[in-house]
Amino acid sequence: EDKVVQSPLSLVVHEGDTVTLNCSYEVTNFRSLLWYKQEKKAPTFLFMLTSSGIEKKSGRLSSILDKKELSSILNITATQTGDSAIYLCAVGGAGANSKLTFGKGITLSVRP
Amino acid sequence: EAGVAQSPRYKIIEKRQSVAFWCNPISGHATLYWYQQILGQGPKLLIQFQNNGVVDDSQLPKDRFSAERLKGVDSTLKIQPAKLEDSAVYLCASSSRQGRHNEQFFGPGTRLTVL
Repeated sequence: EDKVVQSPLSLVVHEGDTVTLNCSYEVTNFRSLLWYKQEKKAPTFLFMLTSSGIEKKSGRLSSILDKKELSSILNITATQTGDSAIYLCAVGGAGANSKLTFGKGITLSVRP
Repeated sequence: EAGVAQSPRYKIIEKRQSVAFWCNPISGHATLYWYQQILGQGPKLLIQFQNNGVVDDSQLPKDRFSAERLKGVDSTLKIQPAKLEDSAVYLCASSSRQGRHNEQFFGPGTRLTVL
């Protein structure tokens, strides 16, 4: 059974801090790892990492995939209060109809 | 591009009652997913459709949950009868077979409270 573990489970920082969120996984025939940001209800897509794209960056957010260590990190620099959310990591296996397995999420609180 | 639509947004029922949720995916998306997200947990896949066929329903409690996607577009998820432990947010997501593999777009969800 596929498994995703995220750490820490929660984190409180001050505006301007840099944070690193961790995700480790066990999945049969790994294909992709996705990061989502969840505020209130619907998760919104941040990044997808695959064997052909192990590093992604968008503004203050960046993510790296380590296929050897079966893990990924999500970095947020110069945090803002608007970054407060739950960050979900999900992994997908090979196959056109493969499902995503989600971790429990990391609750990030950014204090002014 | 319109996003994934879901209704209702909130529902409160008593245990043993029935409830149904509706989802309309992004236009053209062949794959539709229903997830259950219990407070403090990540989303758990209940059922996955490819067009109007079921691809994966291994985690759907079939004694009380059912889902259909008759015309390969919108979908309904039903719980009958509901239990207290069914209290959760029910998320619908869709993805395009032609798009990035595994990237799913989520709807706003339905928060179900079972009393």
